[in-house]
Amino acid sequence: TQLLEQSPQFLSIQEGENLTVYCNSSSVFSSLQWYRQEPGEGPVLLVTVVTGGEVKKLKRLTFQFGDARKDSSLHITAAQTGDTGLYLCAPSSGYALNFGKGTSLLVTP
Amino acid sequence: DTAVSQTPKYLVTQMGNDKSIKCEQNLGHDTMYWYKQDSKKFLKIMFSYNNKELIINETVPNRFSPKSPDKAHLNLHINSLELGDSAVYFCASSPLGTMEEKLFFGSGTQLSVL
Repeated sequence: TQLLEQSPQFLSIQEGENLTVYCNSSSVFSSLQWYRQEPGEGPVLLVTVVTGGEVKKLKRLTFQFGDARKDSSLHITAAQTGDTGLYLCAPSSGYALNFGKGTSLLVTP
Repeated sequence: DTAVSQTPKYLVTQMGNDKSIKCEQNLGHDTMYWYKQDSKKFLKIMFSYNNKELIINETVPNRFSPKSPDKAHLNLHINSLELGDSAVYFCASSPLGTMEEKLFFGSGTQLSVL
């Protein structure tokens, strides 16, 4: 069983601040997905990264896949209250999409 | 039109009861899943069905029995409910079931066992 860690577990910041959350493992993955889950809803896919070193941007969100395809990061620039949610990484491995324990982000006005 | 819909949204019941959660997807996907999210928000796969056939059963107690009458539906029946079954259960689907595909989730069923 791969060890998948997301950090930090909780993050509370004010609007306008920048932040980075991490997804780390000792295993190599063929691809990795990032999801955001808002309270009372199911997770929604933000991005899939496939190539080592790949960087993808989604408006103020920047996703990076590590060169060795063992880790990934999500950077949010100028956070907004609408960014509040649980950010989950899900590497493709084995026969099921398994999720990390997530980073719970709270952005306050 | 909701892509993946599950009912009920909330389910409160007593220990020992039997209950079912229904899930339907109108996306034409071949693969459907049940995930369990515990109080610490850890989202863990329980079952996966591909075109009505069980593909994954992740060491879930026998009290949990998924049923897929057709590829658009995957229902979850739970016998003899226990306190530890309290969680949010999510249904999801994907086109073919490969690891690189996007999962489409329902909005969850919050199960509370008293």
